[in-house]
Amino acid sequence: DAGVTQSPTHLIKTRGQQVTLRCSPKSGHDTVSWYQQALGQGPQFIFQYYEEEERQRGNFPDRFSGHQFPNYSSELNVNALLLGDSALYLCASSLELRNEQFFGPGTRLTVL
Amino acid sequence: GQQLNQSPQSMFIQEGEDVSMNCTSSSIFNTWLWYKQDPGEGPVLLIALYKAGELTSNGRLTAQFGITRKDSFLNISASIPSDVGIYFCAGGDNYGQNFVFGPGTRLSVLP
Repeated sequence: DAGVTQSPTHLIKTRGQQVTLRCSPKSGHDTVSWYQQALGQGPQFIFQYYEEEERQRGNFPDRFSGHQFPNYSSELNVNALLLGDSALYLCASSLELRNEQFFGPGTRLTVL
Repeated sequence: GQQLNQSPQSMFIQEGEDVSMNCTSSSIFNTWLWYKQDPGEGPVLLIALYKAGELTSNGRLTAQFGITRKDSFLNISASIPSDVGIYFCAGGDNYGQNFVFGPGTRLSVLP
């Protein structure tokens, strides 16, 4: 049973560029949430997707956008990258209306 | 916005000792989750709590949902070296949304 997978593992970008991160949920899960984890801190909720729509959003600017595909996989897009966007980006999947979220290994984004 | 506090921030214990850590909030949550994160990996779900006062065990781990719904506790008995890592609490609503994570408790186990 494949768990949550994320790609790429690591990514280096420069300020002003755009980035796309990808996530495949655990088999049977239909809900995907994205989190940003800065070094030494807990994950911060970015947004959640269910049925290809953004269902809930945390306190992140519009530069952060996402998409969910019919196969439940998801993308996180960040435009106009800032140095402060450097972080581990985590994807978590769950079943709709269920609280147990299972995390992927994350994508480490470094903005220079 | 909602914030969670975890204490202690870090702890060093001897192998075989018991560990206690807690998570507090100024807001009420309907769900509490405890996760463990190893370096370079995503958090792994340890225990989920859904009801005030609930006490749930998972092997050597025991967690409790505080009766005020503003706190939760995690205990680890007879610690072993693989317990090393960062433990996060997360509070949420009833519907898998709005999860807020604490800053974590870093646990080190000395042989």
